Amino acid sequence: GNSVTQMEGPVTLSEEAFLTINCTYTATGYPSLFWYVQYPGEGLQLLLKATKADDKGSNKGFEATYRKETTSFHLEKGSVQVSDSAVYFCALKGQAGTALIFGKGTTLSVSS
Amino acid sequence: GAVVSQHPSRVICKSGTSVKIECRSLDFQATTMFWYRQFPKKSLMLMATSNEGSKATYEQGVEKDKFLINHASLTLSTLTVTSAHPEDSSFYICSASSSGDDTQYFGPGTRLTVL
Repeated sequence: GNSVTQMEGPVTLSEEAFLTINCTYTATGYPSLFWYVQYPGEGLQLLLKATKADDKGSNKGFEATYRKETTSFHLEKGSVQVSDSAVYFCALKGQAGTALIFGKGTTLSVSS
Repeated sequence: GAVVSQHPSRVICKSGTSVKIECRSLDFQATTMFWYRQFPKKSLMLMATSNEGSKATYEQGVEKDKFLINHASLTLSTLTVTSAHPEDSSFYICSASSSGDDTQYFGPGTRLTVL
């Protein structure tokens, strides 16, 4: 079945450091891929998405490229801020289904 | 656009009572709504999927008689936790999507505490 694997956290960085959060997936066909962010005490917000191979999703300085050859959708940001501290979820939506399948989430903590 | 609200944001109730949580899509028609449960430091667990006007489809292990879901209109779905017990305490999150859009938009969540 479909599944998503994220790197274990927590990830602790200093402000302005480079961020990578790894995400790999297993799916049949061509799923859509998403990154969601959850700030403390809040629900999930869509951060970015990509719907086909080689697409790059980007938002608020974050980027992720849909790599079918490596079945990956790693999240990157060149310079993190304290306000980026949150839990980040990688997710996929299979071709045939409507439900999202989430990774376990990666907690990012950025200090000044 | 694509705003989803939940009400209440926080609720505390006594064991044995029922609690209703509302999920509304404010600026789009939600043909499909999803209910998730999130445990501390855990990912989201899909509880059920509901299409407007149809019975909800529950995930394996989720008691449909305990977690009643109604999706009466294209903008409103409700989750009722019946005869709540302390182990039902959790963060419940809904999401909604419209026909032809593969993105789910999430509500802010409802923190349920059962005493």
